[in-house]
Amino acid sequence: GQSLEQPSEVTAVEGAIVQINCTYQTSGFYGLSWYQQHDGGAPTFLSYNALDGLEETGRFSSFLSRSDSYGYLLLQELQMKDSASYFCAVNSGNTPLVFGKGTRLSVIA
Amino acid sequence: DTAVSQTPKYLVTQMGNDKSIKCEQNLGHDTMYWYKQDSKKFLKIMFSYNNKELIINETVPNRFSPKSPDKAHLNLHINSLELGDSAVYFCASSQVTGTGNTIYFGEGSWLTVV
Repeated sequence: GQSLEQPSEVTAVEGAIVQINCTYQTSGFYGLSWYQQHDGGAPTFLSYNALDGLEETGRFSSFLSRSDSYGYLLLQELQMKDSASYFCAVNSGNTPLVFGKGTRLSVIA
Repeated sequence: DTAVSQTPKYLVTQMGNDKSIKCEQNLGHDTMYWYKQDSKKFLKIMFSYNNKELIINETVPNRFSPKSPDKAHLNLHINSLELGDSAVYFCASSQVTGTGNTIYFGEGSWLTVV
């Protein structure tokens, strides 16, 4: 089977850095993706890691360790608009992405 | 231009009714999906189609029947609606490339069964 674990809620201060962790168990693995979803909106793609290491896209970075079945999303210089839910997801062979239950990030002033 | 569009956006209906949600993508992708997001925001895949062929059916009741007339369309028909079917249904599409499998979601269809 496949499963992903991520914290349900995280709170951080505007301008700070926050890390959202994700661990996964899957029978096959191609890569780890991260999606952002604002309340009432659709999930939107943030980043994808197929190989170990850090991928940086502006204020957002994502890390993957395949040997540890672990990844994280790093958000820097937090802004109020970053308040949203963040989902990690795995792509396993031909199986479409399997999503975690999401982490609700609240950015406070 | 909307990449993945689904209709209706909101649907309120009574238990026992049959309803359909339509989805179209203009991205030229080969693969389309239906996801269900419940009140706790857990996003779960229901179906996946590749070039009109069903490739994934994740323990969804057979009251749910997807139909793909062509690779740009994937409609979802639901028979005998139940209260527990109330959720947001997202259509999505993707194309596997050398850099991964990015899924593009529609805006969602809010289904309320009363």
